[in-house]
Amino acid sequence: DTGVSQDPRHKITKRGQNVTFRCDPISEHNRLYWYRQTLGQGPEFLTYFQNEAQLEKSRLLSDRFSAERPKGSFSTLEIQRTEQGDSAMYLCASSFQDGELFFGEGSRLTVL
Amino acid sequence: AQTVTQSQPEMSVQEAETVTLSCTYDTSESDYYLFWYKQPPSRQMILVIRQEAYKQQNATENRFSVNFQKAAKSFSLKISDSQLGDAAMYFCAYRSTDQLIWGAGTKLIIKP
Repeated sequence: DTGVSQDPRHKITKRGQNVTFRCDPISEHNRLYWYRQTLGQGPEFLTYFQNEAQLEKSRLLSDRFSAERPKGSFSTLEIQRTEQGDSAMYLCASSFQDGELFFGEGSRLTVL
Repeated sequence: AQTVTQSQPEMSVQEAETVTLSCTYDTSESDYYLFWYKQPPSRQMILVIRQEAYKQQNATENRFSVNFQKAAKSFSLKISDSQLGDAAMYFCAYRSTDQLIWGAGTKLIIKP
């Protein structure tokens, strides 16, 4: 296990389309976090899971966003009816309990 | 609400010299953690150093050290003997519960 992996690394889509990102955390990590990062800004918290339970969601996460972690391992983040304002880097991170966060390289979304 | 402020959008330093990146935060909590993360271009975020608020001693990790001033709510990062590989965005982050609150980042440029 080499770290947190995210797929795809880049996604270009047209406004109104749905997109899904996948995150595979470090295998022994029980917590998984999703962040959004726009250019020149720090990451913004979106949501996090402990095992398969989604424990917290940011107000930034509109109804068009949904995240799952069905078996407490990998997670998906889906954005429905994408808007240009959704263009950003979507970062996934994992940790064991409240230990150090390990980040993936991110999935960059461009909405045309 | 907690906030984290990095007032230096960009800093530059000559290779082998020392540079200090500033961070201030606002909180009413007494127990929390502070972090510095490094994000190289097109690479994942990695933890540089962490500080527990209850510890008076400043954290150090090799060439990286912090100046933690709890009363002033200040948490600066000092990088000694700067190397070309230190060039990156540096983010200050705060955590009291399960969320990380991030600053906007400082771009560090290393001049050879």
